[in-house]
Amino acid sequence: AQSVTQPDIHITVSEGASLELRCNYSYGATPYLFWYVQSPGQGLQLLLKYFSGDTLVQGIKGFEAEFKRSQSSFNLRKPSVHWSDAAEYFCAVGSNTGNQFYFGTGTSLTVIP
Amino acid sequence: DAGVTQSPTHLIKTRGQQVTLRCSPKSGHDTVSWYQQALGQGPQFIFQYYEEEERQRGNFPDRFSGHQFPNYSSELNVNALLLGDSALYLCASTVGGTYSYEQYFGPGTRLTVT
Repeated sequence: AQSVTQPDIHITVSEGASLELRCNYSYGATPYLFWYVQSPGQGLQLLLKYFSGDTLVQGIKGFEAEFKRSQSSFNLRKPSVHWSDAAEYFCAVGSNTGNQFYFGTGTSLTVIP
Repeated sequence: DAGVTQSPTHLIKTRGQQVTLRCSPKSGHDTVSWYQQALGQGPQFIFQYYEEEERQRGNFPDRFSGHQFPNYSSELNVNALLLGDSALYLCASTVGGTYSYEQYFGPGTRLTVT
């Protein structure tokens, strides 16, 4: 069965520090992988996605993620975190048949000044 | 260009009642998916509509039903409401029944069941 695991429920980083949010997936075929961000009381905004090709993908707001097939991982990174990055981050996997989509349980990011 | 819109924003219902939530997809999108996001959890896939048909369904009981109209807008209906149905209901739209294109999410409808 398809699933997404985000091992870190909550992460706290200092402003200006680097960030890595972990995501592991379980999917039988080639997955479509996504990272979304959700600010309090808001809907979900797509940060980046991976379908194929270069395993390092660049997204909005200075985020990037690397697809590692051997590790079934798609970790999100940012070199220098800003206070405005504090939010909930969700990793998701979509089937390449296009009609199934699974989210992880999310990682809550706190940024301290 | 309007994004995905949902109505109402908030809703309070009593156990046993029925509720209808509405979603209008982003312009040019023809595929609508619904998700339930309980407090502190990730969104859970309910079902997807494409070409006015339910194409795929997540692990939700038949109390959850939907509909897609010719203009691609969609409704989510929940019958016999339970306290556990309290959640943020998100609608997302994309193109062609596939996630090859970006899936855009609406702001959600917050449903509280008392």
